[in-house]
Amino acid sequence: LAKTTQPISMDSYEGQEVNITCSHNNIATNDYITWYQQFPSQGPRFIIQGYKTKVTNEVASLFIPADRKSSTLSLPRVSLSDTAVYYCLVGDMASTGFQKLVFGTGTRLLVSP
Amino acid sequence: DAGVIQSPRHEVTEMGQEVTLRCKPISGHDYLFWYRQTMMRGLELLIYFNNNVPIDDSGMPEDRFSAKMPNASFSTLKIQPSEPRDSAVYFCASSPGLDGIGNQPQHFGDGTRLSIL
Repeated sequence: LAKTTQPISMDSYEGQEVNITCSHNNIATNDYITWYQQFPSQGPRFIIQGYKTKVTNEVASLFIPADRKSSTLSLPRVSLSDTAVYYCLVGDMASTGFQKLVFGTGTRLLVSP
Repeated sequence: DAGVIQSPRHEVTEMGQEVTLRCKPISGHDYLFWYRQTMMRGLELLIYFNNNVPIDDSGMPEDRFSAKMPNASFSTLKIQPSEPRDSAVYFCASSPGLDGIGNQPQHFGDGTRLSIL
């Protein structure tokens, strides 16, 4: 299985840009990288998804290098409400031949005033 | 769109009892996933279904766990008998059926917080 690694925690201040990196080896050729946000007592919520290079939507950007062994979620100008846990998710072809989904360990982001 | 609906939101029961968790996916979604979240192990995929058929249950921890999807709008995760180490938050998620399962955003319910005493 692919092993995904993220920093355990990050601290930031309102208005700053935050970059969270996820490392993922053995990612399958056809699989995408997806990032989720989770607040306490809620399920994860989709933020952004990409395959390679750069993807941008109204809330974040996702940078994926050519080798696709890592990805970086970029949150521009964070606010207090961005305090949450952020997960990366990659698909992986397990030994059974089925696709398996492997969540990262999660990065707890704390945004302070 | 009501989103993915899970019930109950909280469940407290004694060791040895049967526990049944329920999930209603988003209408039209072909994939349904069950996850378990704990502090120690994070988010773990237990099993997923495609068009009501279980595809991969290799994440199910042991035979005490079983999952069914009798129709496109309902799934259950059952633990029998339950043990204290099963205490966790269990999430259900669904996604559309295009491409591979890793290539479509999943929509999660708000989970069932299970406590086994």
